Amino acid sequence: RKEVEQDPGPFNVPEGATVAFNCTYSNSASQSFFWYRQDCRKEPKLLMSVYSSGNEDGRFTAQLNRASQYISLLIRDSKLSDSATYLCVVLHTNAGKSTFGDGTTLTVKP
Amino acid sequence: DAGVIQSPRHEVTEMGQEVTLRCKPISGHNSLFWYRQTMMRGLELLIYFNNNVPIDDSGMPEDRFSAKMPNASFSTLKIQPSEPRDSAVYFCASRPLGGEDTQYFGPGTRLTVL
Repeated sequence: RKEVEQDPGPFNVPEGATVAFNCTYSNSASQSFFWYRQDCRKEPKLLMSVYSSGNEDGRFTAQLNRASQYISLLIRDSKLSDSATYLCVVLHTNAGKSTFGDGTTLTVKP
Repeated sequence: DAGVIQSPRHEVTEMGQEVTLRCKPISGHNSLFWYRQTMMRGLELLIYFNNNVPIDDSGMPEDRFSAKMPNASFSTLKIQPSEPRDSAVYFCASRPLGGEDTQYFGPGTRLTVL
């Protein structure tokens, strides 16, 4: 079993749709959580951090459930420009390194 | 800030040749990471450094791979001899030491070994 697992996708949604991605992690010592976005043939870039209380950034909402070791990302009113691969990332602060999920691919269609 | 700089951006070589990938982290970042990304295996951490010291190289596939960080502004990843299965995109990333700060990735080196 991989340490970080994501919905494999792909997700194909129309513009304006709401879409949610899930991620589970197995290491209970994990301390920080992030969502990264990776466009085709580009490098991963931070989308947002994920806090225990949940956090929102415009159309994007991230949730963390430590008890269930589960992270989610919700995208509302999706845009064509949201088409990308979304990577769930878990940081082990003590170990100093991050583990990336394999990513979920989203395609938003007109 | 120019961000993380990697060179070359593309490399095509023949099996058995030595390949050297280069990375310049963001100034002031103390941690540097080398990743490899393939369709089959996703994004894998190969090795990372804190303050130029290798901390964890458990992701390095085998002895053909080696990485160095002679100073705070430069790192190399070397493959010798290269094999077709090494074909991948290799990313370098840097991060300020400690805390929960994010990693900043370079544009990657797309390596093809024929």
